Amino acid sequence: EAGVAQSPRYKIIEKRQSVAFWCNPISGHATLYWYQQILGQGPKLLIQFQNNGVVDDSQLPKDRFSAERLKGVDSTLKIQPAKLEDSAVYLCASSLDTVQETQYFGPGTRLLVL
Amino acid sequence: AQTVTQSQPEMSVQEAETVTLSCTYDTSENNYYLFWYKQPPSRQMILVIRQEAYKQQNATENRFSVNFQKAAKSFSLKISDSQLGDTAMYFCAFEDGGSQGNLIFGKGTKLSVKP
Repeated sequence: EAGVAQSPRYKIIEKRQSVAFWCNPISGHATLYWYQQILGQGPKLLIQFQNNGVVDDSQLPKDRFSAERLKGVDSTLKIQPAKLEDSAVYLCASSLDTVQETQYFGPGTRLLVL
Repeated sequence: AQTVTQSQPEMSVQEAETVTLSCTYDTSENNYYLFWYKQPPSRQMILVIRQEAYKQQNATENRFSVNFQKAAKSFSLKISDSQLGDTAMYFCAFEDGGSQGNLIFGKGTKLSVKP
């Protein structure tokens, strides 16, 4: 069974530029999560989708971050414009459903904002 | 708000020995789930073990076991017969039973297994 795929693996941009990350969840998984992991900390949930609807985006900085999950499968996370403090690893995870289901994580995208 | 605390930023253990990683959490909920995730240097987060709060029996997965003390809000991970491949960051995580899947992570413990 293929795992959660993410691309790119690494990205370096200058502040005020825009960037987009892509995630392909495990086939059949209805729920998709985006986490931000700043160096030295645990992951923090940014946004959660159930199929193509948003379940929780309370911690997403909506003035600069946006995410979509068209057709309830792949998802993209965008940052525009990027700030220095956005440097982090962005993890995508998926699960069959929501509560009680194990979340499976992708390898992450490491973003460095200069 | 729920919080998860891992008080050991770094730990080391000799190969084949046993090590215990600590985790405490704070919640007023009665229905929740606890997890230990492993994140090797390749950065892929992998589930090690999970525990349902309503279960009194401690979860076990091969060399990994937990000591779940609900009253003390403590959830420690014991790794027996440590192997070099166990070297990784270990994150304790909490999920409120009514939160629809929002995992709250601790800051992690960096475990080094030495030959």
